[in-house]
Amino acid sequence: QQKVQQSPESLIVPEGAMTSLNCTFSDSASQYFAWYRQHSGKAPKALMSIFSNGEKEEGRFTIHLNKASLHFSLHIRDSQPSDSALYLCAVSISSGSWQLIFGSGTQLTVMP
Amino acid sequence: AQTIHQWPVAEIKAVGSPLSLGCTIKGKSSPNLYWYWQATGGTLQQLFYSITVGQVESVVQLNLSASRPKDDQFILSTEKLLLSHSGFYLCAWSPRPRAETLYFGSGTRLTVL
Repeated sequence: QQKVQQSPESLIVPEGAMTSLNCTFSDSASQYFAWYRQHSGKAPKALMSIFSNGEKEEGRFTIHLNKASLHFSLHIRDSQPSDSALYLCAVSISSGSWQLIFGSGTQLTVMP
Repeated sequence: AQTIHQWPVAEIKAVGSPLSLGCTIKGKSSPNLYWYWQATGGTLQQLFYSITVGQVESVVQLNLSASRPKDDQFILSTEKLLLSHSGFYLCAWSPRPRAETLYFGSGTRLTVL
């Protein structure tokens, strides 16, 4: 069974800083890797996803995947107070039924 | 544009009482539909998914059931609530069955007393 773990559990950074969030997974056969953001009391919303090894950049956000290391990460450049939220990584499994397995999240606080 | 509507927004129910939560997707034919559950402070966990009317796959057994009576509707229910059912229930859809972005509804917050 796919296991997804995130680190750190929480993070406080000053406005303008680079933020790095990490996610490890146990099954390298997964094909879909994504980051979601969830503001307090709200539904998660997809930020970015990646299917193959490498990097993908969208605005201030960069996702990096290394399947051999069973690791992917999210980097936020020039972090803003509005980025404060719970960040969830997600990895797909497709053995029989399709599932998207979420990590427990990293609570990010960006201080103005 | 696709819209997803969940009802009710919140429920407070007694242990042992029945429950029915609903979800409707507009603007997308034959969506793949999912139910997720998030305990307070807990991890988001997939409960059910459906790729077509009348067909529902269970992922986790939590004494809950799901049905898809129409192409655009997904229902989550149980006849007897447990304290452990409390949490945030989220309906989601995706345009294809595998490895695609999930679009979540605004959720139903359930408190079981």
